[in-house]
Amino acid sequence: DAGVTQSPTHLIKTRGQQVTLRCSPKSGHDTVSWYQQALGQGPQFIFQYYEEEERQRGNFPDRFSGHQFPNYSSELNVNALLLGDSALYLCASSPQGAGEQYFGPGTRLTVT
Amino acid sequence: GEDVEQSLFLSVREGDSSVINCTYTDSSSTYLYWYKQEPGAGLQLLTYIFSNMDMKQDQRLTVLLNKKDKHLSLRIADTQTGDSAIYFCAGPGYGGATNKLIFGTGTLLAVQP
Repeated sequence: DAGVTQSPTHLIKTRGQQVTLRCSPKSGHDTVSWYQQALGQGPQFIFQYYEEEERQRGNFPDRFSGHQFPNYSSELNVNALLLGDSALYLCASSPQGAGEQYFGPGTRLTVT
Repeated sequence: GEDVEQSLFLSVREGDSSVINCTYTDSSSTYLYWYKQEPGAGLQLLTYIFSNMDMKQDQRLTVLLNKKDKHLSLRIADTQTGDSAIYFCAGPGYGGATNKLIFGTGTLLAVQP
């Protein structure tokens, strides 16, 4: 049973560019959450998707947007990249109504 | 407000017990979680406890919950070098909403051989 998968594993972008990160949830999970983890910090909640809609959003600007597809996979898009967006981006999945979330290995984004 | 706090660092010798502590502010928390993160990796769910429980044991892991003091701890028995990692406690967002998790800053556990 495959766990949560994310792609790519590493990414280097330049300030002002746009980036798309991808996530496939664990089998049987229909809810996907995205987190940003800066170096030396705990993960910060970005948003959560369920039934292809954004259900809840953390304190992140509109430059961060997402999408969920009918097969429950998800994308995170970040526009107009800033140096401060450099971080590990984590995707987590869960079955609807369950609190526990299972995390993927993350995508390391470096903005230069 | 939503806040989870942890001590930053813990060093133990192999074979000893480790106790990692966490305090949280949201009294409506339903489940509280412990995650482990090894260098360069994602988060691994270790265990969780429901807020109406005082204790949960899972092999070498024991979780203790003191609701009055809003204090959560994770005890690892017979700590091994493979347990060296950062440990995060996490609780649901304000009002017990299960949609998002609020994480502490993490405790770095260093196990000396």
